[in-house]
Amino acid sequence: QQQVKQSPQSLIVQKGGISIINCAYENTAFDYFPWYQQFPGKGPALLIAIRPDVSEKKEGRFTISFNKSAKQFSLHIMDSQPGDSATYFCAASKNTGNQFYFGTGTSLTVIP
Amino acid sequence: DAGITQSPRHKVTETGTPVTLRCHQTENHRYMYWYRQDPGHGLRLIHYSYGVKDTDKGEVSDGYSVSRSKTEDFLLTLESATSSQTSVYFCAIRPDSGGQPQHFGDGTRLSIL
Repeated sequence: QQQVKQSPQSLIVQKGGISIINCAYENTAFDYFPWYQQFPGKGPALLIAIRPDVSEKKEGRFTISFNKSAKQFSLHIMDSQPGDSATYFCAASKNTGNQFYFGTGTSLTVIP
Repeated sequence: DAGITQSPRHKVTETGTPVTLRCHQTENHRYMYWYRQDPGHGLRLIHYSYGVKDTDKGEVSDGYSVSRSKTEDFLLTLESATSSQTSVYFCAIRPDSGGQPQHFGDGTRLSIL
């Protein structure tokens, strides 16, 4: 079964708008939540990550919001740009674990 | 970019033939992973390694085997390729310490006719 559920599958946003991608998990043992960005023909690249001891982490235009009680986390892209058009994956892992569990991905298109 | 090289980058082969994909790292990381990426499924773990000669299965390991005889190389073998194994395969590495991200190679696009 899918350990991490991601939505939406695809997203179209106007330039300058806010892109929001959501993920949910069930395993309360997860304690590390990275987001990856993937461009066509390339491998996923780490974008930003969060641990459950904080509710929000911001790096430039990218922010992760984390709701531990709801077991949900989301990626917000402020002032979205055409260059942000890519596929985004959320993931989760246990600090002492070997495996990462990925969401199914969100294809983001930012329209100029 | 993390020092990860996947080879070949593209391969077309026929059903029933053996195929080996190679992942080479220059980071001396302990953990190495093989994923396949398919539309609607995201990234699914095939096998991973936590040291030389130490490997374990992921969620979609049937039909695949792996070997790691050196820290820097992790091989994925399809003993008898099937059309359902047509996919993009990614290798990832991770440092020894827990709670650290994986870093991915640029993938191998494999087509099995």
